[in-house]
Amino acid sequence: DTAVSQTPKYLVTQMGNDKSIKCEQNLGHDTMYWYKQDSKKFLKIMFSYNNKELIINETVPNRFSPKSPDKAHLNLHINSLELGDSAVYFCASSPEWDRYEQYFGPGTRLTVT
Amino acid sequence: AQSVTQPDIHITVSEGASLELRCNYSYGATPYLFWYVQSPGQGLQLLLKYFSGDTLVQGIKGFEAEFKRSQSSFNLRKPSVHWSDAAEYFCAVGDIIQGAQKLVFGQGTRLTINP
Repeated sequence: DTAVSQTPKYLVTQMGNDKSIKCEQNLGHDTMYWYKQDSKKFLKIMFSYNNKELIINETVPNRFSPKSPDKAHLNLHINSLELGDSAVYFCASSPEWDRYEQYFGPGTRLTVT
Repeated sequence: AQSVTQPDIHITVSEGASLELRCNYSYGATPYLFWYVQSPGQGLQLLLKYFSGDTLVQGIKGFEAEFKRSQSSFNLRKPSVHWSDAAEYFCAVGDIIQGAQKLVFGQGTRLTINP
């Protein structure tokens, strides 16, 4: 009964490729997020969706495109991968009435070679 | 913009010893403050949060944190650590950007437990 799940857990790919990471939550939450954690463990928000609507879009390259087919899913597609995209990407969700209380997925470690 | 500073990148304590992890924030009004823990290879788990009221908040796994407005601090404590507490700990403050709530995280403190 995983609350927030992500696939894949590991992703190794070459520069220039396009890849997607999927996220699903079964908590009934309305709001979902993507975070990037760099090699120094610094965690920064990238995007947030509320009921399939984009509500936060931090300064992220256009190569990153989130998609929310329904409020339980938030996918992240990355075009033309670069070395600097190597990181751990976390999905999270929160109830609309308390968006600060966020539940995180296990992360996807992306390695670009 | 709000910010959070965790002055200690890495702390080592012996099992059974007490623990205090430091967190300082910058925020004009009363902040919403959080501590999250990230075990190796795992996502982040909420330990505790402070919104208002009693400045000493209790969390899961025997952790507590104290909000001190005069020091702009929200330090995490545990009276006696267990080997399973070895993890990365993140302090965070709630912020509003583009009209939506978000968390701003500190750099994290890695906790190592000596047997």
